Amino acid sequence: GAVVSQHPSRVICKSGTSVKIECRSLDFQATTMFWYRQFPKQSLMLMATSNEGSKATYEQGVEKDKFLINHASLTLSTLTVTSAHPEDSSFYICSARANRDGYTFGSGTRLTVV
Amino acid sequence: RKEVEQDPGPFNVPEGATVAFNCTYSNSASQSFFWYRQDCRKEPKLLMSVYSSGNEDGRFTAQLNRASQYISLLIRDSKLSDSATYLCVVNGRRGQNFVFGPGTRLSVLP
Repeated sequence: GAVVSQHPSRVICKSGTSVKIECRSLDFQATTMFWYRQFPKQSLMLMATSNEGSKATYEQGVEKDKFLINHASLTLSTLTVTSAHPEDSSFYICSARANRDGYTFGSGTRLTVV
Repeated sequence: RKEVEQDPGPFNVPEGATVAFNCTYSNSASQSFFWYRQDCRKEPKLLMSVYSSGNEDGRFTAQLNRASQYISLLIRDSKLSDSATYLCVVNGRRGQNFVFGPGTRLSVLP
């Protein structure tokens, strides 16, 4: 089945630094990739929709200058959390639609900002 | 009103029990519906799509009621391994995006 590979799975960084998260579609082309964030005991919230070759679409309340998205190829989308702060600590996960039967998710990245 | 709402849970049931989860959605134009399962600290995994005629996969049955904008998931003969959070997923208002419900946590007890 369709696989989305997400790295890193876990990262701890200092406040003020930037962290890049990568998502690759391994056996299909993903023209669109979705980035979600999930805080403890809360649901997945869509942050942005990443489109290959064009600008990402951000959800209301998500700062585009803080969460930089690049979707330069049909198999790779990256999310960079810039100048990370402790409140950015969360579970970040990407997904793409490989076929009509739902979405495939990356394995997620647990970000802890200290 | 939230776009997708689910039973608040948690549901604690004994092994072998039958349990039903409900989900309501606000966008009457929604066309695609799914149930996902998410284990603690893991990514969500597709459990089943929900079709208009209803569908069954082993111990799991999904139903869709478009008139009431309501989806259900029935789990029969619960196993310990069914313990997880079950997420209802529906087309969002912009059509392209999908909206996740808050999830209902199920604990199956020995």
